[in-house]
Amino acid sequence: NAGVTQTPKFRVLKTGQSMTLLCAQDMNHEYMYWYRQDPGMGLRLIHYSVGEGTTAKGEVPDGYNVSRLKKQNFLLGLESAAPSQTSVYFCASSYDRLLAETYEQYFGPGTRLTVT
Amino acid sequence: AQSVTQLGSHVSVSEGALVLLRCNYSSSVPPYLFWYVQYPNQGLQLLLKYTTGATLVKGINGFEAEFKKSETSFHLTKPSAHMSDAAEYFCAVSDSFSGGYNKLIFGAGTRLAVHP
Repeated sequence: NAGVTQTPKFRVLKTGQSMTLLCAQDMNHEYMYWYRQDPGMGLRLIHYSVGEGTTAKGEVPDGYNVSRLKKQNFLLGLESAAPSQTSVYFCASSYDRLLAETYEQYFGPGTRLTVT
Repeated sequence: AQSVTQLGSHVSVSEGALVLLRCNYSSSVPPYLFWYVQYPNQGLQLLLKYTTGATLVKGINGFEAEFKKSETSFHLTKPSAHMSDAAEYFCAVSDSFSGGYNKLIFGAGTRLAVHP
């Protein structure tokens, strides 16, 4: 299993540009999450999804949109990038319904985004 | 709202010395508690977790943590530090636990340095 993968690993954007970050998981997990990590602030939840076709806002959703058209994929979009969105973005997934495992979240390797 | 406080953003120990990373949480319901480790330029990896049962939890790489309800603490320890333990450590508490979905609240992180 590859686990959780993220594309791209690095990206530099200019203010106002748009982009999409892709997250994929091969563990048949029901739930997926997008976090951002900033120095001294830990990880903050941007959006999450509890199933295919459903999404919900997290702690810091402004400026981001998400979609979960397929169970294994969770996309994070920035429509008009701003310097305040310079961060490291992590995707995570959890909960295999068949295994009923104990809710650990599995993380991807991250995407380092710089907005100039 | 739940919150997590990690005392000390940077901790430095000598190789072979005791590692103690502190975590206090606030929660109105019995919490699920986690410690994650992040090595440089990597994603987060679960070290250990407390859900129910024994309050002393053992994790990977010789780490353990004890859930103390009366002190609302979940401190991470390792008897003897190794150079490879140098990383950033995050404590997290689950915010909601309905149908397996666990929204994690993270502390700000503690960066552990290990000196020869």
